[in-house]
Amino acid sequence: AQTVTQSQPEMSVQEAETVTLSCTYDTSESDYYLFWYKQPPSRQMILVIRQEAYKQQNATENRFSVNFQKAAKSFSLKISDSQLGDAAMYFCASGTSYDKVIFGPGTSLSVIP
Amino acid sequence: DAGVTQSPTHLIKTRGQQVTLRCSPKSGHDTVSWYQQALGQGPQFIFQYYEEEERQRGNFPDRFSGHQFPNYSSELNVNALLLGDSALYLCASSLGDRGSQPQHFGDGTRLSIL
Repeated sequence: AQTVTQSQPEMSVQEAETVTLSCTYDTSESDYYLFWYKQPPSRQMILVIRQEAYKQQNATENRFSVNFQKAAKSFSLKISDSQLGDAAMYFCASGTSYDKVIFGPGTSLSVIP
Repeated sequence: DAGVTQSPTHLIKTRGQQVTLRCSPKSGHDTVSWYQQALGQGPQFIFQYYEEEERQRGNFPDRFSGHQFPNYSSELNVNALLLGDSALYLCASSLGDRGSQPQHFGDGTRLSIL
């Protein structure tokens, strides 16, 4: 069984600053994938970044990057140069090749102008 | 490029009634997953449909059922509605039934039970 934990219910960041959102997971599978999804107040969930567990290199997408610590089962998201449009709920998720995707409880990010 | 569309946007029902929610996947996708998202919580997996069959199921009672049509669209049916079924129901589509694939989400259906 998979579990995903996000220990920060709420976070805030000053515009243009950097913020890191935490996520820990647990899985018995060796082949798994990790995701960060963003859900703005308009509700539609969108994929931010995806990491294959077999890859040691941390995934990056423009201002978004992850710190994947496989041994510690940690998968944090770093947002650089935060913008007002980054304000949203952020969900960490885990999926395996043959099992469903499990979402964490989410972190609400506020961006202060 | 049509994204994931869900209907209706909002729905109000009373306890004991039945409801059907609909989802059309993103163009080119063949797999549909349904999630229940209570206010302030993360999405909870209900089930996934691929090749018109239920492939995975979460911890939901059999009051929750679904269907996938040959055009890959899907329906979620909930019978004997309870107050606790009030939530945002999200549909997500992907290519293939593997949990490794990124999912594209619809705007959701807000279901309120009175």
